[in-house]
Amino acid sequence: QKEVEQNSGPLSVPEGAIASLNCTYSDRGSQSFFWYRQYSGKSPELIMFIYSNGDKEDGRFTAQLNKASQYVSLLIRDSQPSDSATYLCAVNEGGGADGLTFGKGTHLIIQP
Amino acid sequence: GAGVSQSPSNKVTEKGKDVELRCDPISGHTALYWYRQSLGQGLEFLIYFQGNSAPDKSGLPSDRFSAERTGGSVSTLTIQRTQQEDSAVYLCASSLGFRETQYFGPGTRLLVL
Repeated sequence: QKEVEQNSGPLSVPEGAIASLNCTYSDRGSQSFFWYRQYSGKSPELIMFIYSNGDKEDGRFTAQLNKASQYVSLLIRDSQPSDSATYLCAVNEGGGADGLTFGKGTHLIIQP
Repeated sequence: GAGVSQSPSNKVTEKGKDVELRCDPISGHTALYWYRQSLGQGLEFLIYFQGNSAPDKSGLPSDRFSAERTGGSVSTLTIQRTQQEDSAVYLCASSLGFRETQYFGPGTRLLVL
């Protein structure tokens, strides 16, 4: 059974600080890793994807992947109130015909 | 360009009735996915299409659920004899190819009374 684990939160971060969101996954064969943001009542929207070990930066967002530890994280720099949402970690395995396996999400609150 | 579209946006039905949900993927996307998100739960993968074929239907919750895709474009998810536990948001996503980035539609909110 493939699992993706996230701390459900809420994670409360003051405006302007760095928000750190973490995710672990069970399937060592996983090859693609995604972070989606979901506002209440809305569908998920892609924030970042990462395939290789290390860091990947895009604006205020940095995704970090450590396949040996089966760990992926998302850092949000200079957090804004508009970043308040649920962040979903999703994993795609290397083989088979499955879709993404999602964690249940971390609820992030940016305090003005 | 146009994103993934789904219809209806909301559906209220009575227990035991059949419902049909529609997904229109991004033009040119060959892969299409259906997910379900129940209240307070994570997204649950249901089924995936590459072109018109669905290689693995084991994610469908029961034999009351079926899905088809014709012409490599629009897909329908059909739930027969709906039950209250089928109430959820049904999300469709598409990607350029399998294992590529998935883009989600707005979802269909299904309520079974």
